[in-house]
Amino acid sequence: KNEVEQSPQNLTAQEGEFITINCSYSVGISALHWLQQHPGGGIVSLFMLSSGKKKHGRLIATINIQEKHSSLHITASHPRDSAVYICAVRSTSGSRLTFGEGTQLTVNP
Amino acid sequence: DSGVTQTPKHLITATGQRVTLRCSPRSGDLSVYWYQQSLDQGLQFLIQYYNGEERAKGNILERFSAQQFPDLHSELNLSSLELGDSALYFCASSVTSGGADEQFFGPGTRLTVL
Repeated sequence: KNEVEQSPQNLTAQEGEFITINCSYSVGISALHWLQQHPGGGIVSLFMLSSGKKKHGRLIATINIQEKHSSLHITASHPRDSAVYICAVRSTSGSRLTFGEGTQLTVNP
Repeated sequence: DSGVTQTPKHLITATGQRVTLRCSPRSGDLSVYWYQQSLDQGLQFLIQYYNGEERAKGNILERFSAQQFPDLHSELNLSSLELGDSALYFCASSVTSGGADEQFFGPGTRLTVL
C-alpha cells in the first residue's frame, strides 16, 4: 500500500461544477502539499498546509490530521483547471516529499 | 514562474551515455531537491542538498550522483543510461532544509534515452 493514496485517479466534470479530490496518507507528517501539473509538465505548488483550511481564489484545501486526510476543492470549475493534481506529504523525519499518484482532472466546456 | 531554473529543457541521448542536468535555485534558497517522474513510478524523491552538503537520499541509483556548488546551483549526473531512465527530472528549492518550508519547483528536464 502506498504511503499516499489519492482518489479519484481520473475525474471528468462539466464547467461550473464543484470538484473534490481526496488524499489519504499513512505516515506522520509535518506538512501536506497540493501540486498542479499541466500537460506541458511544469509543477506549480498550490497549497502547503499542516492544519485547518486554506483558500486561494476558487481553490480550497483542507486537512484533518487526526484522520490523516486532506481534500482539495475547486469551486466553479473551468476548462483551464484541467490538469493533474498531486498530493504530497512531508514526513516528520525530514523535508523530502512523498507523492500520491495524481488525479487527472478534465473540465469540459 | 517559480524562480527555479533548470537546463536543458529537453535532452535526447543514447543508452550507455552520461548526461548532466543543471538546476539554479530561487535567490536566497539554500536547499535543492531532485525528483524523478517516470510513467511507471510517478514522482519520486532522489536526493537533497543543503548549502553544499548532502542532506537526504531517496531512491537514487548508484549510476546517478549529484552535487551542490558554492553558488548553490546543483547538478544531477546520470551515467550508463538505460531506457528506463527516460523521465522528467525536476528540481525544487526551499529556504532551509526544515519541514516548514514550501518547495518551489523548476520547469523540469525531459530526458529521453533511445
